[in-house]
Amino acid sequence: DQQVKQNSPSLSVQEGRISILNCDYTNSMFDYFLWYKKYPAEGPTFLISISSIKDKNEDGRFTVFLNKSAKHLSLHIVPSQPGDSAVYFCAASAHTSGTYKYIFGTGTRLKVLA
Amino acid sequence: GAVVSQHPSRVICKSGTSVKIECRSLDFQATTMFWYRQFPKQSLMLMATSNEGSKATYEQGVEKDKFLINHASLTLSTLTVTSAHPEDSSFYICSVGGGGDTQYFGPGTRLTVL
Repeated sequence: DQQVKQNSPSLSVQEGRISILNCDYTNSMFDYFLWYKKYPAEGPTFLISISSIKDKNEDGRFTVFLNKSAKHLSLHIVPSQPGDSAVYFCAASAHTSGTYKYIFGTGTRLKVLA
Repeated sequence: GAVVSQHPSRVICKSGTSVKIECRSLDFQATTMFWYRQFPKQSLMLMATSNEGSKATYEQGVEKDKFLINHASLTLSTLTVTSAHPEDSSFYICSVGGGGDTQYFGPGTRLTVL
């Protein structure tokens, strides 16, 4: 049972335009949602997170939107840059047995074209 | 954020041997560390939660006798893959948590079992 889903395996965007990466989840008990960027053979790099009680969080070029009724979140990158090309994972965390556990989506490969 | 290192970055071993992977939190005292595994083009899957001074908590389907975890100090957790087989070949990543909205990952260890 995939609790966190990223239905688009890949996305191509022109440099300077907006990149929108989507993520859906099924468990309404998640406390936080996070986005990570990952290059091959490297660990994920934290980008931005949002609490389940908020609907928007912004940090520079990155904005995450959360729609709890639809159990959907999205990451907007504006403007997109070639260096943003990577695999992006969304993750959700829930407090379980005294600690937070993270569940990751399957990732979306973003390619920003120069 | 926290700086996390892993050693080795890659290891090749023969089937039947055991391999130890170290995860160090360089600037953060971590009572809890997490071990993930990622197969090619798949998501990060949580294997176990490593607890300092006590037994690790394994996720469903992960053999605790095969993947031995030791968390002897606040800065070091080790994962030992015992009697490794080719199907254990994967990318192993550890992380430390700052809370539900933050988790910092190591650079990962590529294990190849011949």
